Amino acid sequence: QKEVEQDPGPLSVPEGAIVSLNCTYSNSAFQYFMWYRQYSRKGPELLMYTYSSGNKEDGRFTAQVDKSSKYISLFIRDSQPSDSATYLCAMERPGTASKLTFGTGTRLQVTL
Amino acid sequence: DTAVSQTPKYLVTQMGNDKSIKCEQNLGHDTMYWYKQDSKKFLKIMFSYNNKELIINETVPNRFSPKSPDKAHLNLHINSLELGDSAVYFCASSPPAGANVLTFGAGSRLTVL
Repeated sequence: QKEVEQDPGPLSVPEGAIVSLNCTYSNSAFQYFMWYRQYSRKGPELLMYTYSSGNKEDGRFTAQVDKSSKYISLFIRDSQPSDSATYLCAMERPGTASKLTFGTGTRLQVTL
Repeated sequence: DTAVSQTPKYLVTQMGNDKSIKCEQNLGHDTMYWYKQDSKKFLKIMFSYNNKELIINETVPNRFSPKSPDKAHLNLHINSLELGDSAVYFCASSPPAGANVLTFGAGSRLTVL
């Protein structure tokens, strides 16, 4: 069993929909949680970063962390075709010298 | 200006060959990384260097040898290439104050025939 599980999709939604992407994890030592977006044939780029539990909002994106359930989410409001990409969650334990553990990514397709 | 640049972008080679991938960052970051992404998009860390010093060395075959001539450069040399080495290799860097906030390069797609 992988430390971080993520539904690979693909997830197809119409433009304007609210998208919910999720990851579960098994290691309760994870304290830092990130979402990266990866377009086809490109490197991942950081979208959201949260420390411990709680919510964080940035424009159309909201990241939620529920440490009691070992569950993190990324919500995308008013989804656009330009949001079509693979979304990777990533996590880190303190004191591991930035060793990120990634999920396998969820492929999102936003259709017109 | 590209922040993290890798060369080459594509590499096709035969089994048994030796190849290198180069990475340079112009962000002034102290830490650089090599990640491997397999065909299922799973991204796994291989190595990490902080200011030219190796700090993370995951369970990677000895055929893989990273080298950091200075803190802006991190190269990856692979000896005796195998079919299973086919993947996309990503270089990344991070600043000291946000060490888990990585900036990735565009990747080097290695195909071993």
